[in-house]
Amino acid sequence: GDSVTQMEGPVTLSEEAFLTINCTYTATGYPSLFWYVQYPGEGLQLLLKATKADDKGSNKGFEATYRKETTSFHLEKGSVQVSDSAVYFCALSDDQAGTALIFGKGTTLSVSS
Amino acid sequence: DTAVSQTPKYLVTQMGNDKSIKCEQNLGHDTMYWYKQDSKKFLKIMFSYNNKELIINETVPNRFSPKSPDKAHLNLHINSLELGDSAVYFCASSPTEFGGRNGYTFGSGTRLTVV
Repeated sequence: GDSVTQMEGPVTLSEEAFLTINCTYTATGYPSLFWYVQYPGEGLQLLLKATKADDKGSNKGFEATYRKETTSFHLEKGSVQVSDSAVYFCALSDDQAGTALIFGKGTTLSVSS
Repeated sequence: DTAVSQTPKYLVTQMGNDKSIKCEQNLGHDTMYWYKQDSKKFLKIMFSYNNKELIINETVPNRFSPKSPDKAHLNLHINSLELGDSAVYFCASSPTEFGGRNGYTFGSGTRLTVV
């Protein structure tokens, strides 16, 4: 079945450091890919998405490119801020598989000043 | 105006009790979901309704029963609560069945603690 694998955390960075959180997927169809963010004590917010190969999703300085050849959707940000501290989830939806949104296990990011 | 709202935000109850969590969305979406987030932050789908019809029913104890009176509401009733039911429960909605290219809109969660 479909699945999402993302790098284990926690990830600890200093302010203005470069961030990469790796995400790879397995899917039977042609999935759409998402990054969600969960700030402490809050629900999940959609950060960015990409719906077909080579699409780049971007929002708030974060970017991720849908790479079909490597089945990856890595999240990057050039300069993180303390306010980016949160849990980040990679997810896929695959209507062909007829399943609900499938999440990776989440990566906790902690940014210090 | 909150898009997906859940009540209550916090729920502390004793083992063996019965409790309900309510969810409402004002986005006009056709599909609603319940997810459980465990202490390690792992998110697992429990149920999904599309226009009041159950379309996903994962392996969940039958003490959990969803109810959708209309497509804007999806409630979760839990009977005979157990310690292992302690978790954060998230409601979500999407415009179409399974979400497709749109992803889901999530509520802020209900933190259930069973003591």
